[in-house]
Amino acid sequence: DSGVTQTPKHLITATGQRVTLRCSPRSGDLSVYWYQQSLDQGLQFLIQYYNGEERAKGNILERFSAQQFPDLHSELNLSSLELGDSALYFCASSPRQGDGEKLLFGSGTQLSVL
Amino acid sequence: GDSVTQMEGPVTLSEEAFLTINCTYTATGYPSLFWYVQYPGEGLQLLLKATKADDKGSNKGFEATYRKETTSFHLEKGSVQVSDSAVYFCALSPSGSARQLTFGSGTQLTVLP
Repeated sequence: DSGVTQTPKHLITATGQRVTLRCSPRSGDLSVYWYQQSLDQGLQFLIQYYNGEERAKGNILERFSAQQFPDLHSELNLSSLELGDSALYFCASSPRQGDGEKLLFGSGTQLSVL
Repeated sequence: GDSVTQMEGPVTLSEEAFLTINCTYTATGYPSLFWYVQYPGEGLQLLLKATKADDKGSNKGFEATYRKETTSFHLEKGSVQVSDSAVYFCALSPSGSARQLTFGSGTQLTVLP
């Protein structure tokens, strides 16, 4: 599969816990973006990495962190989870930093915090 | 700040009906405008785009024209199919950059046979 792969597809956890979401970008893409989609906030940009380095931050909480590894996969870490963190988390990738037109999304990780 | 306002859904149409999904935006300068589509269980896919005033983006029978005078980018299709059932997102980017995309709230479209 040459697209964007996100794992797991579904995650159910309890308040106060910590989870890690994983993303493998499209082959050849250097930029990875994380988005959060919730009913009340809509689709929001969280953070972007380019070739291992953080490039831009959006509406990302301090309890959340991310990184991009040398093999270009990325992980989004969510800690001290709250009920309001329940959402669909998307990863997207593009070949370079500014490629809004070439952005490809994964199918998302549905996080449920109980 | 930048914002995108879409018509609220859900929208339900019969096959072969005409579709319009309204989108208006607020931004400084000349942003790039996009329509993304999200099919059930999948991520968003770029449907079409326009980068300057009066540009018309088109793809798969869908069209949208960048209207700076009305700050609008309405999505249209002359004859919808059941396979068009999805959620449609209007978005803008000040510079075309993916990290600066601002999305609308999405419009759920259901097409009945």
